[in-house]
Amino acid sequence: DVKVTQSSRYLVKRTGEKVFLECVQDMDHENMFWYRQDPGLGLRLIYFSYDVKMKEKGDIPEGYSVSREKKERFSLILESASTNQTSMYLCASSRGTGGASRIGGYTFGSGTRLTVV
Amino acid sequence: QQPVQSPQAVILREGEDAVINCSSSKALYSVHWYRQKHGEAPVFLMILLKGGEQKGHEKISASFNEKKQQSSLYLTASQLSYSGTYFCGTEILSGAGSYQLTFGKGTKLSVIP
Repeated sequence: DVKVTQSSRYLVKRTGEKVFLECVQDMDHENMFWYRQDPGLGLRLIYFSYDVKMKEKGDIPEGYSVSREKKERFSLILESASTNQTSMYLCASSRGTGGASRIGGYTFGSGTRLTVV
Repeated sequence: QQPVQSPQAVILREGEDAVINCSSSKALYSVHWYRQKHGEAPVFLMILLKGGEQKGHEKISASFNEKKQQSSLYLTASQLSYSGTYFCGTEILSGAGSYQLTFGKGTKLSVIP
């Protein structure tokens, strides 16, 4: 069974801490994505990557950075966590984008619920 | 930027039909539909590509009007298992030449006996 695995289900961090959220996929997908999900706002794209060491900003990149050193791993970094970054973070991967994403669409991980206090 | 979904919420009795709409102000390459059950990850249902329509499931289908940049998800003869929040995702070509999928705020569907 193909998987996107997020390292932590729940995290509690203090304001100002540097936070790393890890995501690993075992499907050999080229593309990986980080979304945050908040009640009433849906899923909003933070960053995505279409190749190793490549990254592109999504709609709400402020306060975040990413790292993709290996194809299967995509990390989201909160440089200095703030309370407004309390949210559910979802990682996803896809075989391709555009027409290529028709093969299975995006596969999501179970999410990391981050609370910043 | 986000596509607009309607309705925000709908309650159905088993066996009834429902339509969820999704519209965008941008030229779309494709539209995705996902369902998320409470506490779980969103699950891909189907994709509709520019220039075509794809039916993903027997009783769940969708259409894509490219000219109007609109898509609709049709759920027929609803079952209890259809309950969840449905998200449309609209895929556009970004300025950097890659494709970006942006989701709507979701439609909460509740099917009751």
